Amino acid sequence: GEDVEQSLFLSVREGDSSVINCTYTDSSSTYLYWYKQEPGAGLQLLTYIFSNMDMKQDQRLTVLLNKKDKHLSLRIADTQTGDSAIYFCADHGSGNTGKLIFGQGTTLQVKP
Amino acid sequence: GAVVSQHPSRVICKSGTSVKIECRSLDFQATTMFWYRQFPKQSLMLMATSNEGSKATYEQGVEKDKFLINHASLTLSTLTVTSAHPEDSSFYICSASAPGSEQYFGPGTRLTVT
Repeated sequence: GEDVEQSLFLSVREGDSSVINCTYTDSSSTYLYWYKQEPGAGLQLLTYIFSNMDMKQDQRLTVLLNKKDKHLSLRIADTQTGDSAIYFCADHGSGNTGKLIFGQGTTLQVKP
Repeated sequence: GAVVSQHPSRVICKSGTSVKIECRSLDFQATTMFWYRQFPKQSLMLMATSNEGSKATYEQGVEKDKFLINHASLTLSTLTVTSAHPEDSSFYICSASAPGSEQYFGPGTRLTVT
């Protein structure tokens, strides 16, 4: 089946940029998403990118998509302690079921 | 964004009993609802997809007789864990969507079976 992979942990200092990476296997993906999960809470959609885009920027967030390598990244500029959370990338795929395939999640630790 | 609620947020039940978790879309009509299970420090595992008025579609390996899903209205889906056992303890998250919309996630329900 389709798979989404992420590194498990990233630690940065406050004010630095964070880059969270994700790879996926589905060559027919339509949308790719980034979600944020704080402890004990549900998922919050941060941003998404359509598969025919290379880059999308939204305030401090920049998403880069390399469709050839099936690689997605999320860059958070000027990382703050409030950005500490688990970040999931998710692949929508080409079907119309609405199903999402999630990566394992990357825990971002922001040190003051 | 749209709001999805779950109730209860936490529940503790004894082994062998059943527990029902509700998922509500508060400000939109959700034609499709998804139920996920999340183990500590792990990703979300899709359990089933339910469309309003239809039987749920379960993912491979998920026991439909154990995890009963009902999506009787456009704003409510329920997940009933029947004859719960300690290994069913987990964080259950629902999401809801309408045609052409993203999935909106609920805040999750922590189930502990003693």
